[in-house]
Amino acid sequence: AQSVTQLGSHVSVSEGALVLLRCNYSSSVPPYLFWYVQYPNQGLQLLLKYTSAATLVKGINGFEAEFKKSETSFHLTKPSAHMSDAAEYFCAVSDRSYNKLIFGAGTRLAVHP
Amino acid sequence: DGGITQSPKYLFRKEGQNVTLSCEQNLNHDAMYWYRQDPGQGLRLIYYSQIVNDFQKGDIAEGYSVSREKKESFPLTVTSAQKNPTAFYLCASSRGNGNEKLFFGSGTQLSVL
Repeated sequence: AQSVTQLGSHVSVSEGALVLLRCNYSSSVPPYLFWYVQYPNQGLQLLLKYTSAATLVKGINGFEAEFKKSETSFHLTKPSAHMSDAAEYFCAVSDRSYNKLIFGAGTRLAVHP
Repeated sequence: DGGITQSPKYLFRKEGQNVTLSCEQNLNHDAMYWYRQDPGQGLRLIYYSQIVNDFQKGDIAEGYSVSREKKESFPLTVTSAQKNPTAFYLCASSRGNGNEKLFFGSGTQLSVL
């Protein structure tokens, strides 16, 4: 069975500081991994995905994530936080055979001046 | 514009009542999904459908029912058997392959009167 653990339900950073959101996965097969962002009262939007090409994946809005098989991790980073990055972020894992995503519990990112 | 539309945005249910949430997509996607979102629990899969006239239970299907009579439509009924229906419901669609991103609607907030 697949699962995702996001460490830290709330993360707070200063504007301009590094953003690091942690995600660890469990999968019996090589996984596909995703990060989605959700703004208040809206659906989710894809930030980036890992599908076994390059282990460092670049996404939208300056975010990137690195797949580390030895650590079963897929942490999301951004060098410099912006106020508009305040949102909830979800890590997800997919079985390669079909597109049923398993989501983590989410991390709410707050950015303060 | 192509997209996925959920309606209504807000819905209230009385005790013992069944209610139906609408989800329509014009992306020509084969796969559609229903997720339930509760604070601090992330998204949990209710039902999904890979093709027309076929659907499978997700992790929390009890108290819910779906149909997939048309490719573009995947309505969700919350039955009276669902004792804790208050949540944010998200519909999504995709091409159905394991590495494809999900496109999400803007959600329906269901509350109990």
